[in-house]
Amino acid sequence: GENVEQHPSTLSVQEGDSAVIKCTYSDSASNYFPWYKQELGKGPQLIIDIRSNVGEKKDQRIAVTLNKTAKHFSLHITETQPEDSAVYFCAASTRAGGTSYGKLTFGQGTILTVHP
Amino acid sequence: NAGVTQTPKFQVLKTGQSMTLQCAQDMNHEYMSWYRQDPGMGLRLIHYSVGAGITDQGEVPNGYNVSRSTTEDFPLRLLSAAPSQTSVYFCASRPGQYNTEAFFGQGTRLTVV
Repeated sequence: GENVEQHPSTLSVQEGDSAVIKCTYSDSASNYFPWYKQELGKGPQLIIDIRSNVGEKKDQRIAVTLNKTAKHFSLHITETQPEDSAVYFCAASTRAGGTSYGKLTFGQGTILTVHP
Repeated sequence: NAGVTQTPKFQVLKTGQSMTLQCAQDMNHEYMSWYRQDPGMGLRLIHYSVGAGITDQGEVPNGYNVSRSTTEDFPLRLLSAAPSQTSVYFCASRPGQYNTEAFFGQGTRLTVV
């Protein structure tokens, strides 16, 4: 099955700096890569996603890049703010048939702390 | 729309006890799943369902049962609780199986003593 590795496990930045979180995946059939943000005491919430036919996607201060050849994708947050502090998860999903059923496989998570 | 609702929010069980974690969604989503979240291990899939009457095992199904008698509800049953099942449990729903956003509940923090 799919295996997703996420790094770093913790990331500490100063307000205004950029933050980058990286993920690698193992299944070349994976074609959907969402990123989730989890605030303390809450469930994860989708912040951005990218499909395999696109190399980069931006939404204001957040961007995601995908390198299908190398099987890795990254989350970039620019001009970080204290409210960006949270746990971030990457995930991968495949449209392949059989028992895959479009299951989401998550990375281990990154605790991002933005210091004022 | 309430989204995905999980109950209870907190629970303490003794080893060997059984209980059911409730999950309900009001978005008419076909696809529902249960994850457990443990430090350093991300979210691991326990069981999932692609529609009423259809369930299947995920990555870590042992010790858990599910059923899906309606589109709205997807309860998770712990048959005989063990300390290794101490975790935070999340239910999620998606409008379809493929390439769609997962909507998560607020989670249930379970402690087995």
